[in-house]
Amino acid sequence: DIQMTQSPSSLSASVGDRVTITCRASQSITTYLHWYQQKPGKAPKLLIYTASSLQSGVPSRFSGSGSGTDFTLTISSLQPEDFATYYCQQSYSSPQWTFGQGTKVEIK
Amino acid sequence: QVQLVESGGGVVQPGRSLRLSCAASGFTFSSYGMHWVRQAPGRGLEWVAVIWYGGSDKYYADSVKGRCTISRDNSKNTVYLQMNSLRAEDTAVYYCARDNGGYTYVDYWGQGTLVTVSS
Repeated sequence: DIQMTQSPSSLSASVGDRVTITCRASQSITTYLHWYQQKPGKAPKLLIYTASSLQSGVPSRFSGSGSGTDFTLTISSLQPEDFATYYCQQSYSSPQWTFGQGTKVEIK
Repeated sequence: QVQLVESGGGVVQPGRSLRLSCAASGFTFSSYGMHWVRQAPGRGLEWVAVIWYGGSDKYYADSVKGRCTISRDNSKNTVYLQMNSLRAEDTAVYYCARDNGGYTYVDYWGQGTLVTVSS
């Protein structure tokens, strides 16, 4: 099974900060890596697909990069509505997917 | 617009069964694969199962294989998850989710239905 490890598990940041979240795969997954945002009590929302493609309607302050085993989600200037938990997901081993454990972004 | 509405959750005793349903609208249901993804209280997301657009292929997470069956009725625009021999560790919010079309990621999610397995 492909394991996905996110770091950090949580972080505190201020509005306007640049935030970076990392996701590492236990083996190469090329660019079959996707990012979701989840707010408390709500369903997840797709942000980035295939490592770096921005989902329609998602603000351009979100960006993704990486390939192989190491990936990054960056929020260029954190906004109040961005405080949430972020998950990466691999589909290299499709149809059986795995998610990272999540990174909670909290207000400093 | 795409809508996915789950139902069928509730409190069930260990060892019993439950069937979840997800009613889809706003898109051509028979053209998309459909997934179930769950989230235990305070925990992360866990992929559970997928069914191909025509219903011919189905795949399961090891944690539910042999106990759960995913199915769909394209005439009713509905996907189901039959869960048997339920365990306490199956307690979670179960989300119905639409595949993007390439079996790579989810582009739409339902609001979720809570299943609690407890005596």
